[in-house]
Amino acid sequence: DSGVTQTPKHLITATGQRVTLRCSPRSGDLSVYWYQQSLDQGLQFLIQYYNGEERAKGNILERFSAQQFPDLHSELNLSSLELGDSALYFCASSAQDEYNEKLFFGSGTQLSVL
Amino acid sequence: AQKITQTQPGMFVQEKEAVTLDCTYDTSDPSYGLFWYKQPSSGEMIFLIYQGSYDQQNATEGRYSLNFQKARKSANLVISASQLGDSAMYFCAMRERYSGAGSYQLTFGKGTKLSVIP
Repeated sequence: DSGVTQTPKHLITATGQRVTLRCSPRSGDLSVYWYQQSLDQGLQFLIQYYNGEERAKGNILERFSAQQFPDLHSELNLSSLELGDSALYFCASSAQDEYNEKLFFGSGTQLSVL
Repeated sequence: AQKITQTQPGMFVQEKEAVTLDCTYDTSDPSYGLFWYKQPSSGEMIFLIYQGSYDQQNATEGRYSLNFQKARKSANLVISASQLGDSAMYFCAMRERYSGAGSYQLTFGKGTKLSVIP
């Protein structure tokens, strides 16, 4: 158990809808990262928050947004969903934001857009 | 250019044999970290081993060792005495400074699917 909790584990929805994925980092970790894993794109970094503030943006679509709350949990909001958004979405956390820190991953949310 | 290259999409190894999974990386940052993660069919990402850019010795964690050749920019994972439970996807990843910002991001390779044969 990595200590990172993601809910829900599975999500099935229709095109055009909006969903929210939730992540609780390991206790004490300040950095939260969101990744998308799909067969064609592999593991892609989406966005990072550090102690409540956005720190870095990756390949995140404008239809997607995220935030980190004062208790450090984070939510990823996906709107106007398309079939191509179907993927495994991971949340990860680390204590700080250093090159020598490993990321602890949650078990992921499998999103299926029908 | 690819930051992390894993040239072996799939590998087979006999149980109890050793196997090497290749990884090359590209960075101009002097401070970086190299990581290997395992993803079994259940989907979770499991950390295996870490090597820092300034580390002189190759990292080892139980049956896992990292063959770090800095001049060649390679960080191959060696699994000794393979077990059936080692069958999984293996990802090499590098953490480096991200786009001049004050953050360090982890970039993954495309992975190698390892199958252990009884």
